[in-house]
Amino acid sequence: LAKTTQPISMDSYEGQEVNITCSHNNIATNDYITWYQQFPSQGPRFIIQGYKTKVTNEVASLFIPADRKSSTLSLPRVSLSDTAVYYCLVSGGFKTIFGAGTRLFVKA
Amino acid sequence: GAGVSQTPSNKVTEKGKYVELRCDPISGHTALYWYRQSLGQGPEFLIYFQGTGAADDSGLPNDRFFAVRPEGSVSTLKIQRTERGDSAVYLCASSLTFIGTGDRDEQFFGPGTRLTVL
Repeated sequence: LAKTTQPISMDSYEGQEVNITCSHNNIATNDYITWYQQFPSQGPRFIIQGYKTKVTNEVASLFIPADRKSSTLSLPRVSLSDTAVYYCLVSGGFKTIFGAGTRLFVKA
Repeated sequence: GAGVSQTPSNKVTEKGKYVELRCDPISGHTALYWYRQSLGQGPEFLIYFQGTGAADDSGLPNDRFFAVRPEGSVSTLKIQRTERGDSAVYLCASSLTFIGTGDRDEQFFGPGTRLTVL
């Protein structure tokens, strides 16, 4: 299973765009890239998933370059409520392997 | 609609005791996952069920841990002879199905059971 590397923490201000990059150099051909968000005392919540190029939904965008060795989660105009841990996952089988995640802190 | 529920929300037990943790997945979801999460860490995969059978139990740390899903819906994680190191939040997730190689259906997580072994 491909290992992922993300920044441990990031700070931002309300209204800014936040980009969190994840490295996955050993990604396999059939692996997908998925991002989850987790608030304290809650289970993770699915944000977005992609295979290549760009995916956009109502809450985020996911940018994946052609070599797929990294991906960037983009959160437009963050608010205080976006303060959470964000996990990047790469997997193509049954297992879902979470790393330590990126702790995003949004300030007023 | 109802999400994934887990009971109890908190469980305090003594070292050496037996505990059962229950997960009620979203109705109709055939795939069910168990994870364990320690403070400051990401969730750690334990076991995955597709229907009634455990498709992958390679994450179970040792033979004190066992999980069942006899009717393909509710699942129970069982821990024998609990140890202090078993203290963690145990998360359950379900998804509509597991689709082939690579594609992964969205997992819906429950709130977790916080297990404390004294």
